[in-house]
Amino acid sequence: DAGVIQSPRHEVTEMGQEVTLRCKPISGHDYLFWYRQTMMRGLELLIYFNNNVPIDDSGMPEDRFSAKMPNASFSTLKIQPSEPRDSAVYFCASSDRRAEKLFFGSGTQLSVL
Amino acid sequence: AQTVTQSQPEMSVQEAETVTLSCTYDTSENNYYLFWYKQPPSRQMILVIRQEAYKQQNATENRFSVNFQKAAKSFSLKISDSQLGDTAMYFCAFLSYNNNDMRFGAGTRLTVKP
Repeated sequence: DAGVIQSPRHEVTEMGQEVTLRCKPISGHDYLFWYRQTMMRGLELLIYFNNNVPIDDSGMPEDRFSAKMPNASFSTLKIQPSEPRDSAVYFCASSDRRAEKLFFGSGTQLSVL
Repeated sequence: AQTVTQSQPEMSVQEAETVTLSCTYDTSENNYYLFWYKQPPSRQMILVIRQEAYKQQNATENRFSVNFQKAAKSFSLKISDSQLGDTAMYFCAFLSYNNNDMRFGAGTRLTVKP
């Protein structure tokens, strides 16, 4: 398996634009997690899915953020409209055993100008 | 809420020597997991080692071992025979049995010098 695949690797956009981050989990994993990493706050869980259903979205910072998982092999994290303070590295991770054994993607470096 | 503290923002070690990274955590729970993750310059988070709280025996993975002191809520990582490829950020993390919200420390930047 190729591991967790995220795209794009880098994204530069202007304030107010819509941003969509993509994730393909490892085949057979039924848990998918979105994390955000910043210098100020470190790594934070934004939302996670189990069997494509959002279970806990309490970490989503505000309504500008939304996440979907239309099928077992694809998830998106959308920010609309984006703001400079959203600049961070966004990680997707998947697991077949809750969060005990996470496999992380390479992350998307988002810069909002 | 659980918190994870890594008190060493940066550390360095000579190649082939041993280094210990510190981690403490705060929880009122009895059942949980503890982890060390490595983040090299490539940015990907890589699991180094995992410990289940109910196990008294310290986990080991080749050159990596932990010193788990449950009463003291301490979980340090020892890297033996350090290699240049060990240069990375190291994150300590806590996971309760009751949820999926893994809590990470602020990280320790380790540099292995030739």
